[in-house]
Amino acid sequence: ETGVTQSPTHLIKTRGQQVTLRCSSQSGHNTVSWYQQALGQGPQFIFQYYREEENGRGNFPPRFSGLQFPNYSSELNVNALELDDSALYLCASSLVGTGPGLASYEQYFGPGTRLTVT
Amino acid sequence: DAKTTQPPSMDCAEGRAANLPCNHSTISGNEYVYWYRQIHSQGPQYIIHGLKNNETNEMASLIITEDRKSSTLILPHATLRDTAVYYCIVSYTYGQNFVFGPGTRLSVLP
Repeated sequence: ETGVTQSPTHLIKTRGQQVTLRCSSQSGHNTVSWYQQALGQGPQFIFQYYREEENGRGNFPPRFSGLQFPNYSSELNVNALELDDSALYLCASSLVGTGPGLASYEQYFGPGTRLTVT
Repeated sequence: DAKTTQPPSMDCAEGRAANLPCNHSTISGNEYVYWYRQIHSQGPQYIIHGLKNNETNEMASLIITEDRKSSTLILPHATLRDTAVYYCIVSYTYGQNFVFGPGTRLSVLP
């Protein structure tokens, strides 16, 4: 069973630039959620993708966008980077079922991408 | 805002049981209680979850009060490697939007 992987592990960008972060979900999972974790705080929900469509969004501006691909991997894109976007970005995958007997219980998190905006 | 409240920090002696409390007085009938931990800026690690019955796995036990307004995570024999921030989260299973609070920083002392 392959766990959740993220790339890159670290990234340094300049204010105003754009960045793309990538996530490969755990084998068999169909849902990906993205979280932002500022230093010393708990993770904050950005959005979730299920079957390649956004399925819920937290309190983040539209310059945070995402994609989910047919293989359930995902990208997080952030445009017009600001200094406050410096954080650990976490991806989590889970299995969400649509029939009886299938349910999503736990999300499995990747190691995260540390983004620094200067 | 998080629907849970936890003490900001706790200490536990190595080899002793660590009991981490969580209050979730506004939990609804279909919401589960999840526990995760995060070790030094790694991704959060799933520990255990439950709805209303007590649960046990190889990592921990989860005790949920009968009114479901609070729960306790028990690490039966804490080790130094259990030093981490522990998060208690309540959430529906479908369309999960985990709302993390600041968690409890558990320090296991030798």
